[in-house]
Amino acid sequence: GQQLNQSPQSMFIQEGEDVSMNCTSSSIFNTWLWYKQDPGEGPVLLIALYKAGELTSNGRLTAQFGITRKDSFLNISASIPSDVGIYFCAGCSNGNQFYFGTGTSLTVIP
Amino acid sequence: NAGVTQTPKFRILKIGQSMTLQCTQDMNHNYMYWYRQDPGMGLKLIYYSVGAGITDKGEVPNGYNVSRSTTEDFPLRLELAAPSQTSVYFCASSYPWGSGSGGGNEQFFGPGTRLTVL
Repeated sequence: GQQLNQSPQSMFIQEGEDVSMNCTSSSIFNTWLWYKQDPGEGPVLLIALYKAGELTSNGRLTAQFGITRKDSFLNISASIPSDVGIYFCAGCSNGNQFYFGTGTSLTVIP
Repeated sequence: NAGVTQTPKFRILKIGQSMTLQCTQDMNHNYMYWYRQDPGMGLKLIYYSVGAGITDKGEVPNGYNVSRSTTEDFPLRLELAAPSQTSVYFCASSYPWGSGSGGGNEQFFGPGTRLTVL
């Protein structure tokens, strides 16, 4: 199946710092989604991207759909303790099947 | 709306036993999906359905079966449980491409079923 490379694998940051993570694919996607997963819960959708070059914000979160359509980036500004969790990217090329990255584990130190 | 609901939350099976994981959504979504998530990994698609009566295989369908008799329900069946099926199972649903609130097909997930096969 498709392989999405998500980096970094884990991050430990101080409260108030900005965070950047990215996802790359060997294939072109027409949709990129970013999710956050808390322990014992299902993933919760943060941002959806549908056009190459698209830049979308959701509060302190900003995500971009890469121009090549093979990558996407998520930034979190001024991190707070409740940002702790695992962040997943997901890409789709045919409208039916999404492929997920392996996740970025974020720890915010107060 | 309750969104996507899954039952049970936890289950322990013996090798060779069978069980059905239930999934229901009340958002009138056409598309439904089953994923498994192994520790430290992303989600892998098992099966999906684009509407009642239509199902298709995902990346890892072996050892599983699904049915979709109604828009709301999409049960996942394990016939002969094996230790390799120990995982957390997530159900999700979405509108078809172009029909979602953002114009796309963003997926919404249930809380998951944690399955252990011993």
